[in-house]
Amino acid sequence: QKEVEQDPGPLSVPEGAIVSLNCTYSNSAFQYFMWYRQYSRKGPELLMYTYSSGNKEDGRFTAQVDKSSKYISLFIRDSQPSDSATYLCAMSAGNQGGKLIFGQGTELSVKP
Amino acid sequence: DAGITQSPRHKVTETGTPVTLRCHQTENHRYMYWYRQDPGHGLRLIHYSYGVKDTDKGEVSDGYSVSRSKTEDFLLTLESATSSQTSVYFCAISGTPRDRGSETQYFGPGTRLLVL
Repeated sequence: QKEVEQDPGPLSVPEGAIVSLNCTYSNSAFQYFMWYRQYSRKGPELLMYTYSSGNKEDGRFTAQVDKSSKYISLFIRDSQPSDSATYLCAMSAGNQGGKLIFGQGTELSVKP
Repeated sequence: DAGITQSPRHKVTETGTPVTLRCHQTENHRYMYWYRQDPGHGLRLIHYSYGVKDTDKGEVSDGYSVSRSKTEDFLLTLESATSSQTSVYFCAISGTPRDRGSETQYFGPGTRLLVL
């Protein structure tokens, strides 16, 4: 079993839809949680960063962490075609030289 | 961009030949990482460095070596390339000069390697 599980999709939604992306994990030591966005043939770019449990909002994006359930989510409101990308969750225990464990990524397509 | 460049951006090589990929950063970050990305596997850590001449293995280090003789450069070497090392390789950095470390990482543009 992988430490971090992420539904690979692909996920296709109409423009304006609310998108929910999710990851589950097994290591209770994880404290730092990130979402990266990766456009085709590009490097991943940091989208959201959360420490411990709770919610964080940035524009149309909301990240949620539920440590009791070992479950993190990324919500995208009013999705746009420009949101079409692969979204990767990543997490860290914070005491291992900054090493991150990544989910395998969810491919999202937002149709006009 | 976080001031990270990778070279070459694309490379085709033959099985059994040595290959060196270079990662260069301009922002004096302490930590540097090499990942490979393959379909169905996401990003997997190959090696990382926490300072000049200080490196450690990651999840998939077999067949790879690294060196860091300067803060700004982190080299990944495939000693004898195999077809299973065909992949996209990403370098990442974290940690500012004042930090002991940082949990967020910033990625370079990637190197596409094809081993025939």
